[in-house]
Amino acid sequence: EVQLLESGGGLVQPGGSVRLSCAASGFTFSSYAMSWVRQAPGKGLEWVSLISGSGGDTSYADSVKGRFTISRDNSKNRLYLQINSLRAEDTAVYYCAKDILGSCTSITCRLDYWGQGTLVTVSS
Amino acid sequence: DIVMTQAPLSLSVTPGQPASISCKSSRSLLHTDGKTYLYWFLQKPGQSPRLLIYEVSSRFSGVSDRFSGSGSGTDFTLKISRVEAEDVGVYYCMQGVHLRTFGQGTKVEIK
Repeated sequence: EVQLLESGGGLVQPGGSVRLSCAASGFTFSSYAMSWVRQAPGKGLEWVSLISGSGGDTSYADSVKGRFTISRDNSKNRLYLQINSLRAEDTAVYYCAKDILGSCTSITCRLDYWGQGTLVTVSS
Repeated sequence: DIVMTQAPLSLSVTPGQPASISCKSSRSLLHTDGKTYLYWFLQKPGQSPRLLIYEVSSRFSGVSDRFSGSGSGTDFTLKISRVEAEDVGVYYCMQGVHLRTFGQGTKVEIK
């Protein structure tokens, strides 16, 4: 069974930093791309970042480029998101999701499994 | 960046009746590999989103055949043939031809 468990959220001051983590199990972690998606309170979904299975290719939404860094440790089956220079508008639930690069099948697809999310609140 | 625009933003449906959600993209989602990378997700209240439809019209594993997707290029539609109480939530379209972008979401409720 695929499981994704995010952690690392909490209350952070504006201008501060936070590192989110996502522990993956139930699939061959290194074979799959992974994404981070966030959702501000009462708002819609916003894709944030993507990393290839090897970790060699990364992509970011324009809104977070330069402040967010996605990374992974395939030896630990862990995905990370480093967020620097936090702003109030970064307040959101951050989800990690299993992703693929390329076409889907009926059992393996982009964002086919999601974690339960971790809440980051930016406030003084 | 590709902009995804959904309509309507909210929908109230009588159980057993059909429902339809539109999603338009600011540019074609047809990739050079011949596939169209348009997806539909449902986020039920208090839950994480889950994938319903991939590549315009293919139902993901375990998804009811009451859900169907159609469209091409820049115009896409999600249809629910007979809405049930368990279909309540927010529906999102997402493009995957250039990175990922979600639509604003369409909230579906039961009358």
